[in-house]
Formats: sequence, C-alpha cells, structure tokens
Amino acid sequence: AQTVTQSQPEMSVQEAETVTLSCTYDTSESDYYLFWYKQPPSRQMILVIRQEAYKQQNATENRFSVNFQKAAKSFSLKISDSQLGDAAMYFCALGSSNTGKLIFGQGTTLQVKP
Amino acid sequence: GAVVSQHPSWVICKSGTSVKIECRSLDFQATTMFWYRQFPKQSLMLMATSNEGSKATYEQGVEKDKFLINHASLTLSTLTVTSAHPEDSSFYICSARVPWKGHSSYTFGSGTRLTVV
Repeated sequence: AQTVTQSQPEMSVQEAETVTLSCTYDTSESDYYLFWYKQPPSRQMILVIRQEAYKQQNATENRFSVNFQKAAKSFSLKISDSQLGDAAMYFCALGSSNTGKLIFGQGTTLQVKP
Repeated sequence: GAVVSQHPSWVICKSGTSVKIECRSLDFQATTMFWYRQFPKQSLMLMATSNEGSKATYEQGVEKDKFLINHASLTLSTLTVTSAHPEDSSFYICSARVPWKGHSSYTFGSGTRLTVV
C-alpha cells in the first residue's frame, strides 16, 4: 500500500523568510511521481511543484524547491521569500505510474505573518 | 489547458434524497477520473476511480451502492450520492490524470460542498 505522511499539522513563517514543509512516503513501486499542492480557502487544488522519481535533480519552481531523498523516501518543500499569498494548506501527494492513483498526506496549514 | 469543470459547487439536500455531481473535462479526454472526499481541514481521501466505459473501482470502506459513479463518456464522470444522510455532508472533488511533458500530472475540479439536512 502507498502512504504519505506529513508530520507538521501547522507551520508558521515570517513574511520574506524561508520555511520547509516535511513529507515522507512509502511505496513498493519503482516508477512514481511526487507533488506538492496548495489549497487556499477557496479549496481549489493548485499544483505547486512536481518531481519524477527517476530524476535525481531536485525540482524548482521560482520560490519553491524540493529536497527529494529517494532512499529515505522523503520529499520536503522549501518556500523561499515567503509571501502573504502563500498562506494555505499544503498537501504532499504520491502518484502511481501504474494505477494513476494520487494519494495525499494529511496536510500542513501554513501561516505567513506580516 | 486541461480543465475539469465540476458542478454544482454547492448543494443542500434533504435526508433520503439523491444528489448528482458532475465533472466534465473541457479540453481533453479523461479516460480516468478520480473522486475524493474531504472533511474540513483534513486530507483528500480517495473514494473511487472511474474509467470510461467500465465499472468504477472503489477504495476499501467506500460503499459503492451509496456512491454511484458513472463514466459514460470520455468527457463526463458523475458521482451520485444516494439516500443521503447528514454524515454524507462533505466536500467532494474530482481529478483527472493528464499528460504533461511526456509524463503525468493531475487536474482538479473546483469541488462540491454537499450539505445534507
């Protein structure tokens, strides 16, 4: 079975500072995808960043970057220069290349303080 | 591109009635659609996978007779909550896998807030 664990229910960061959200996962598959999604109060799911498991290079998208440690099954998200608009719930997700199923972690609520 | 339109965005129904939620892929063909349920401030829990032209597959613990899923065309998947009860009140979201730079990504509907009174 595939599982995703986010151990930080809530995180807080000062505006312009950097914050890291943690995520660990478990899967028996060799080919899979990892994602971070943002869910603002509107509850629309917004893709933040994605990583293919076969790629060793960590993905980056502007102020967002990941630290992908495949052996440790860890996939953390770093947000640099945090902005007030970054405040939301963040979900780590694991996608199976085989079944296509996307499984989510418990979520981390990020508060950005001005 | 790769937009999924979900309707209604909000619905209130009486206990014992049925409610249908629709997800349409607007600019691509969705052979597979995933349905999730989300309680306030909690995670998205996968309920079932619908495949065009075949029966849906349900996750363990999900009542298939209560949550009827139909995927009759490549652009439409529906979730019907039958004989709804207050405990079925929740936020329901659909998602489709879409090709992205030779690999896969996912697009989501905007969700449906169901309140059963």
